[in-house]
Amino acid sequence: GEDVEQSLFLSVREGDSSVINCTYTDSSSTYLYWYKQEPGAGLQLLTYIFSNMDMKQDQRLTVLLNKKDKHLSLRIADTQTGDSAIYFCAPVQGNDMRFGAGTRLTVKP
Amino acid sequence: DAGITQSPRHKVTETGTPVTLRCHQTENHRYMYWYRQDPGHGLRLIHYSYGVKDTDKGEVSDGYSVSRSKTEDFLLTLESATSSQTSVYFCAISEGGSLRFFGEGSRLTVL
Repeated sequence: GEDVEQSLFLSVREGDSSVINCTYTDSSSTYLYWYKQEPGAGLQLLTYIFSNMDMKQDQRLTVLLNKKDKHLSLRIADTQTGDSAIYFCAPVQGNDMRFGAGTRLTVKP
Repeated sequence: DAGITQSPRHKVTETGTPVTLRCHQTENHRYMYWYRQDPGHGLRLIHYSYGVKDTDKGEVSDGYSVSRSKTEDFLLTLESATSSQTSVYFCAISEGGSLRFFGEGSRLTVL
């Protein structure tokens, strides 16, 4: 199977919270990144978490890490239409960064 | 935004023709990467460079070669393009930690 798995689609209403989930296989991942890709654009770094942390909050973004289950999640509070994009989970081990297939978030007004 | 420029941004070519994509950076970062993005696969590493003239293969390197003669430029070459190489190609740079900054992408269509 894939090293990093994400659901492909998520649809929410504007103002609701969005939760994007990611599971990975490499337990020795040191950093775990979230990137955002808007249509026709490159990947923009959103946030990241160190492997020795359980949670990181950055304004509307909350990252939760469960190392035991190798599960990472990104919560976006008060989701806006501008949050519509593809979100990639990318754990890193050494110099090797692996990407999930990406979750396409659609925000409905 | 990180100073990364990819060229061309769009290219349509025919099977069997050579293609070269260029990545230019103004950040003086040591590491440069080429990825391809395909639906359902996320980004997959093709080749990377850890210095001038120092390159190594990634996960999906077959059919691709790279060169880095200057710190700021990293070239990706398809010697004989095939339809399976139709994709969006992204360049990324890194100073040596795990954080990578990405270019805007080059969309290649091989007919």
